[in-house]
Amino acid sequence: QQQVKQSPQSLIVQKGGISIINCAYENTAFDYFPWYQQFPGKGPALLIAIRPDVSEKKEGRFTISFNKSAKQFSLHIMDSQPGDSATYFCAATSSSGYALNFGKGTSLLVTP
Amino acid sequence: EAGVAQSPRYKIIEKRQSVAFWCNPISGHATLYWYQQILGQGPKLLIQFQNNGVVDDSQLPKDRFSAERLKGVDSTLKIQPAKLEDSAVYLCASSWTVQETQYFGPGTRLLVL
Repeated sequence: QQQVKQSPQSLIVQKGGISIINCAYENTAFDYFPWYQQFPGKGPALLIAIRPDVSEKKEGRFTISFNKSAKQFSLHIMDSQPGDSATYFCAATSSSGYALNFGKGTSLLVTP
Repeated sequence: EAGVAQSPRYKIIEKRQSVAFWCNPISGHATLYWYQQILGQGPKLLIQFQNNGVVDDSQLPKDRFSAERLKGVDSTLKIQPAKLEDSAVYLCASSWTVQETQYFGPGTRLLVL
């Protein structure tokens, strides 16, 4: 049972463009939503995270948008660079449940 | 600071054999996690330790998988006997405590033939 649904499965963006990855969840108890970046042969690394008390969080070129009523959140990568080419995972967890529930991942390719 | 260390990095075994993975978390991190990442999917939690006690092992196939964390530091994950569907990357992660950022190791890639 996939608790977090992620789309698209893969994404190709030109250098300088905007990459957008979307996630949706059902469990209203979730209150922490991180995004992880994973390069081949490496473990996932935390990129940015948000809690539902805010609708947007920005760190450099990376922004999370959060829509509590729709139970959706998304990652926007501005001015995408070839070095951003990686697999991105959204995740969700609750204060009482600790386990991170991951989406299936989005493979991003940024072309020069 | 040193990251999460895992060994071996790769392992190939035949079905019904046993295998063990080792994890050394970031120094001082009380919480340790083992995840299974099947190709094309996100990591799935197998077991979570707080110090050397188990917090959550609800998704651990206990008939074949076991894990321990002696002295609240290093941890081992064992599979016995292995099945073809166990082929995956096994990731170890640690955090200062629950709800804190999880830091992942590079993983152990297991292939069961």
